[in-house]
Amino acid sequence: EIVLTQSPGTLSLSPGETATLSCRASQSVRSNYLAWYQRKPGQAPKILIYGASNRAIGIPDRLSGSGSGTDFTLTISRLEPEDFAVYYCQQYGSSPLTFGGGTKVEIK
Amino acid sequence: QVQLQESGPGLVKPSETLSLTCTVSGGSMSNYYWTWIRQPPGKRLEWIGNVYYSGSTNYNPSLESRLTISIDTSKNQFSLRLTSVTAADAAVYYCVGGATWLPDQWGQGTLVTVSS
Repeated sequence: EIVLTQSPGTLSLSPGETATLSCRASQSVRSNYLAWYQRKPGQAPKILIYGASNRAIGIPDRLSGSGSGTDFTLTISRLEPEDFAVYYCQQYGSSPLTFGGGTKVEIK
Repeated sequence: QVQLQESGPGLVKPSETLSLTCTVSGGSMSNYYWTWIRQPPGKRLEWIGNVYYSGSTNYNPSLESRLTISIDTSKNQFSLRLTSVTAADAAVYYCVGGATWLPDQWGQGTLVTVSS
């Protein structure tokens, strides 16, 4: 199974700054089937990005995904208060689907 | 977008069977993959498996020997059955839908505790 490693574990930033989150796969993700989710306390994960770089419906263009193969990045520009949350990457190109351990973006 | 709601016992005894149902509303189950995902306390999200609207299933090999996922499109429901549970099966269980293997429409999740 593909192991996804996210870094850093926690990112402390101020509103207006840019967050750069990394997700590294133990082997190449087929067809770059890599998604990013946001989760806030007490809520279910919400999809942000699919196919490594495609924004889901309603997701602002401040959020962008990039990467291919084994290295992927989620960039959140001009952080807003609602962006402070935990972010997960997930690969859905190979079974079993697997998730990263998460990166927490917290207010500095 | 469809809405998904998990239901089932919040407490299961060790060695017994965990059964959960997900009710789908606001749309058809056709042409969708219906997935179960869980997150044990302090651990990462874990994909359990999925069922296509036709009834074909895909399971996580780590759970396959204990797992059954089924679907009843006439009731707009799909279900999870996990036998011989242990403390390691305690988790928040989510039901999720997606037009592809990508899980993109999530239920709110239900907490399952395993204890005697």
